[in-house]
Amino acid sequence: QSVLTQPPSVSAAPGQKVTISCSGGSSNIGNNYVSWYQQLPGTAPRLLIYENNKRPSGIPDRFSGSKSDTSATLGITGLQTGDEADYYCGTWDSSLNAWVFGGGTKLTVL
Amino acid sequence: QVQLQESGPGLVKPSQTLSLTCTVSSGSISSGSYYWSWIRQPAGKGVEWIGRIYTSGSTNYNPSLKSRATISVDTSKSQFSLKLSSVTAADTAVYYCARGASGYSSGWYNYFDFWGQGTLVTVSS
Repeated sequence: QSVLTQPPSVSAAPGQKVTISCSGGSSNIGNNYVSWYQQLPGTAPRLLIYENNKRPSGIPDRFSGSKSDTSATLGITGLQTGDEADYYCGTWDSSLNAWVFGGGTKLTVL
Repeated sequence: QVQLQESGPGLVKPSQTLSLTCTVSSGSISSGSYYWSWIRQPAGKGVEWIGRIYTSGSTNYNPSLKSRATISVDTSKSQFSLKLSSVTAADTAVYYCARGASGYSSGWYNYFDFWGQGTLVTVSS
């Protein structure tokens, strides 16, 4: 059971927009920045969003992040088949004194 | 561009100790406000953080591993290592090493900006 809660799967058509939620508590999302990771099939996760809404160099602006209270959201617009992947949210938990990840969300682009 | 590469045995017997090393290249293991982590992923499941170490030697671990994990660093070799004791089949997973960035910017931030490709470790007799 993950400390952060994500929907197991989401789907949308090419060109459409999708959002992935990540719910936590005051000891993690509520008081720390959230990051998001994309894991394409057979590869290592890669950083997609950091500090809630910042994109590393090379990540297209189709990807966005936001945070409100104890929840965070990843948004992807202009969906492409190459976006099919597992997406994970993560942050530090100040009570556990440990890093916590969400259970992951599988994105299917129909 | 920092690069990380995991190495170690791909097969470990139950009750023994799993040992992995991560070699950091194209960047100093001692620079900046970074820490070095191990993360694992059982087949078909999500990622699980194992622990982290700063080059000062300070460590934090996932409480769920109940003190079985030990992470150490050798800055002279640009390497950090993981030892996981008393392994069972449940420890079979792809193990990743990663660089973590942390600091304060209107709030505490932590994120993993570089990852190794991962190495599969199977626990079996």
